[in-house]
Amino acid sequence: EVQLVESGGGLVQPGGSLRLSCAASGFTFSRYSMSWVRQAPGNGLEWVANIIQDGSDKYYVDSVKGRFTISRDNAKNSLYLQMYSLRAEDTAVYYCARTKDIPFDYWGRGTLVTVSS
Amino acid sequence: SYELTQPPSVSVSPGQTARITCSGDALPKKYAYWYQQKSGQAPVLVIYEDTKRPSGIPERFSGSSSGTMATLTISGAQVEDEADYYCYSTDSSSSHRVFGGGTKLTVV
Repeated sequence: EVQLVESGGGLVQPGGSLRLSCAASGFTFSRYSMSWVRQAPGNGLEWVANIIQDGSDKYYVDSVKGRFTISRDNAKNSLYLQMYSLRAEDTAVYYCARTKDIPFDYWGRGTLVTVSS
Repeated sequence: SYELTQPPSVSVSPGQTARITCSGDALPKKYAYWYQQKSGQAPVLVIYEDTKRPSGIPERFSGSSSGTMATLTISGAQVEDEADYYCYSTDSSSSHRVFGGGTKLTVV
């Protein structure tokens, strides 16, 4: 059974940093691209970042370029999102999602990030 | 930037057919994908590559695409189909990956 479990969310002050993690199981992690998708409270879904299987290519939505870094450790079956210079508008539930030929075919339950003073 | 446009809400009675549209300029060249999100839950893929249904998704869910519009159809909608539905696709260069704004389906 495919499982994706996010962790690392919490309350952080504007300008602060946070690192999200996603633990994957039930599939061969190194064969899949992975993505982060977020959802602000009461709002729709927004794709945030994507990383290919070996980590050599990474893509970001314009609003997080230069502030967020996606990475992965295939030996640990883990995906990460390092977030810097956080803003109030980054407040959201962050989902980890599996992607290969089919984007976001499995999702985790999400972790809530709240940016507030 | 690229945008996909969905109606904010659709309402049907149980057993009726619900149709949710998604319009985007690149849809003639790019696949549409559809996700169902029930309240308080993570999204679930219900249609991929315009028309294909993942295993475990009921047959009443179907997809189609023509020109700049993709459509998710729920034939004989059930109360348990009440959810927000999001389309997803990319622009023609695949540099912008976007979700539509979402459609709230009410079955009552």
